[in-house]
Amino acid sequence: DAGVIQSPRHEVTEMGQEVTLRCKPISGHDYLFWYRQTMMRGLELLIYFNNNVPIDDSGMPEDRFSAKMPNASFSTLKIQPSEPRDSAVYFCASSLWTGGTDTQYFGPGTRLTVL
Amino acid sequence: AQSVTQLGSHVSVSEGALVLLRCNYSSSVPPYLFWYVQYPNQGLQLLLKYTTGATLVKGINGFEAEFKKSETSFHLTKPSAHMSDAAEYFCASSGPDKLIFGTGTRLQVFP
Repeated sequence: DAGVIQSPRHEVTEMGQEVTLRCKPISGHDYLFWYRQTMMRGLELLIYFNNNVPIDDSGMPEDRFSAKMPNASFSTLKIQPSEPRDSAVYFCASSLWTGGTDTQYFGPGTRLTVL
Repeated sequence: AQSVTQLGSHVSVSEGALVLLRCNYSSSVPPYLFWYVQYPNQGLQLLLKYTTGATLVKGINGFEAEFKKSETSFHLTKPSAHMSDAAEYFCASSGPDKLIFGTGTRLQVFP
């Protein structure tokens, strides 16, 4: 398997623009997670899905952030409008059957810079 | 609430020296425990995982960790550091439907 695939790998945008990050989980995995990593706040869980259904979005910082999983092989994280403080590395991860006990496999991340 | 504490945000060792990265967890029941490594500009990848049974777990690249229930610890060790071990290391505990991550420890290896 190719592993978790994220695109784009780098995104530079201006404040106020819409940003869409994409993720393809490992085939057959039931769980998908979106994380954000910054120097100041470390690794934060934003939202996770089980069988395409959002389970816990309590980590989403504000209404400007939204995530969808229209099918088992694709998820998006959208920021609208973007702000400089959204600059971070965003990771997608997937796991096979459970969210807490199975190994999570991480993608390479998307480095977002908002100017 | 469950939590994972990593003592020391930065650890520096000389090449060939022992590596010891500390992790303590809080949980009402013995959890599954993980160590992940993140190399520069990459995602996290699994080093090793404790589920049940043998308390000494061996992972990739010569790393191992020992689960000590009495101390609620899961420290990561490697007998001899290599320059290529320089990375950030995350300890994690199994939570309800998700992993609980520590804040990470950055390992520097000096020649």
